[in-house]
Parts: sequence; structure tokens; C-alpha cells
Amino acid sequence: QQQVKQSPQSLIVQKGGISIINCAYENTAFDYFPWYQQFPGKGPALLIAIRPDVSEKKEGRFTISFNKSAKQFSLHIMDSQPGDSATYFCAASLTSYSSASKIIFGSGTRLSIRP
Amino acid sequence: ETGVTQTPRHLVMGMTNKKSLKCEQHLGHNAMYWYKQSAKKPLELMFVYSLEERVENNSVPSRFSPECPNSSHLFLHLHTLQPEDSALYLCASSQLGTDTQYFGPGTRLTVL
Repeated sequence: QQQVKQSPQSLIVQKGGISIINCAYENTAFDYFPWYQQFPGKGPALLIAIRPDVSEKKEGRFTISFNKSAKQFSLHIMDSQPGDSATYFCAASLTSYSSASKIIFGSGTRLSIRP
Repeated sequence: ETGVTQTPRHLVMGMTNKKSLKCEQHLGHNAMYWYKQSAKKPLELMFVYSLEERVENNSVPSRFSPECPNSSHLFLHLHTLQPEDSALYLCASSQLGTDTQYFGPGTRLTVL
């Protein structure tokens, strides 16, 4: 019940296209859904996050779509650029206001943007 | 130095060696984490420290031994590792009560 399932494992998109990565979770208690971006030789870094009280969040070219009833959420990258080539991790956590965060990560999607 | 730093960046060791990984955070956080990242697998949480006290140990073999001497530093002591322990070891930090974790660049460990 603690798993976060992510697909696809790898994705190739033409420059200017839309990249879409999907995730599904099981634990309905999760209340925070971040996406992390990892470049080669670097650690993951927070890209964008959403809470389940909204169905969509947009930051620049990056949008999270959230479907609470289906327990699914997805990352859309509009006008994909070669600089977006990285590994993307979806994640879920249960907010605790007094203790360390515990994040459950998906298995990652390696995104390549072809020029 | 800013953010979260890790040393060494690369480490090759034999199964009988003893080595240590070091993590330092310059963000004023009070929680620190060790993760293992293997190819095509989710990040595996190994240890969590909150206010320098270990609060979680996810069934990690005893050949991995963490140490948190203060809120800015975290170590992972390694001994008699196995080849399957080869992976990228990531350190992260956060502020208690917040959701975002900040990761270091990792140590690429190879066990021969």
C-alpha cells in the first residue's frame, strides 16, 4: 500500500513536443505529491508538487494533473526542450508537522528530448 | 559551500575494506536521510535522523552503520560490503514539519 507506480520507464520526445509521465498510488492518506528531477551526476531536486485539494498545478512549462478518485497523477512538460532531458521521479508523502518527512518514490522515468 | 555536499563522489572498495561516506548540509535543517539508488529501482530510504536522533532504520543490514554527530553532518560507515551494495548513495536534508527534501550529488560506490 506504500508503493508509487510510475510509467513509462523511459521516454523519447521530439523537441517542442509534450512529455507525459504517469504515476499511481494506493495509500489514500498521502497528502503531498512532488515530482523530482535528476540530472546525471546530481541528486534529485524538487521540480513541482501538488496537494490533493486541487486537480491541476502549473509552473511554467510543467503541469501536474491530479485525479484523486483514480489515485493517479501525471507530469506534463509542454514544449519539451533538450535541457529537460533527465530522470523524473514521482513521489508521495504524508505530511507530518512535527517530524521528518517520509517520501515514497516511484521508480523513475528517463526522459530524452531529441533535437 | 551551499546546499548539501557529499564526499567522496566516487569510491571503489573491496569486500573486506572499511570506509565512510560523509554528508554535510549548509541549509540549517534538522533532519537528515540516507538513500540507496540502484538502477531501475525506486530510491530506497535507509536511515532517517531527526534532531540528531535516529528515528528510522528500514531493515538495513548491519554492515551499514550511520552516525549523526550534529545537525549538519551525517556519516555512513561501511564494512564487509557485498557486490550487490554497489549503488549511488544519496544524502538529503529537510526541516522538520516540511515536505521538501534537499539532496546531495551522491557517492557512487563500487564494491569489488
